[in-house]
Amino acid sequence: VVTQEPSLTVSPGGTVTLTCGSSAGAITSGHYPYWFQQKPGQAPTTLFYDVNYRHSLTPARFSASLLGGQAALTLSGARPEDEATYYCSLAYSGVGVFGGGTILTVL
Amino acid sequence: EVHLVQSGGGLVQPGESVRLSCETSGFTFSHYWMNWIRQAPGKGLEWVASISPDGSETHYVDSAKGRFTISRDNARSSFYLQMNSLRREDTAIYYCMAVAGLGWGQGTLVTVSS
Repeated sequence: VVTQEPSLTVSPGGTVTLTCGSSAGAITSGHYPYWFQQKPGQAPTTLFYDVNYRHSLTPARFSASLLGGQAALTLSGARPEDEATYYCSLAYSGVGVFGGGTILTVL
Repeated sequence: EVHLVQSGGGLVQPGESVRLSCETSGFTFSHYWMNWIRQAPGKGLEWVASISPDGSETHYVDSAKGRFTISRDNARSSFYLQMNSLRREDTAIYYCMAVAGLGWGQGTLVTVSS
């Protein structure tokens, strides 16, 4: 099971960290963690892959890392347009698993 | 510029079959793993299947094993999801996705209903 915070709120201009955990233990680069953003009514987009490889369109205010055995997505300088659902995914021997998603509110 | 364009899907009855296609361009298709991901109405994302660059290795979510088949045609830069014995719980928007952040398809709705 891949776990994410169900919801988080951040103030405009603020910083927030979303985490992605695994019930199987510590997440490593071998789980090829991905981060995705999905806005209502739209297809998802990839923010990061393989821990912290940034998609060319991912704004610099987003960063990704491994932190304390979890995958982490940090948003610094939140903007209203960052309101979305964020999903992480992990690979377990080729089988992908998504987390339940984090609804991020910028308020 | 990378493009993934999906086709197929629609309304099908329980037990029937449907084939989804994803035609890609803008990158060297034969070098990358490809995935199918779905999203049931009002729900989160669910990984469905993946296929290796040469098609020799495939993986499926447990609920799809024995019913769905992922395949690819590197000469056409396309890959497919054949879905058989469809169930109501397969109703979802299906997305194709290329690894390494290359891109997503626009999504196609599959509705399984009598």
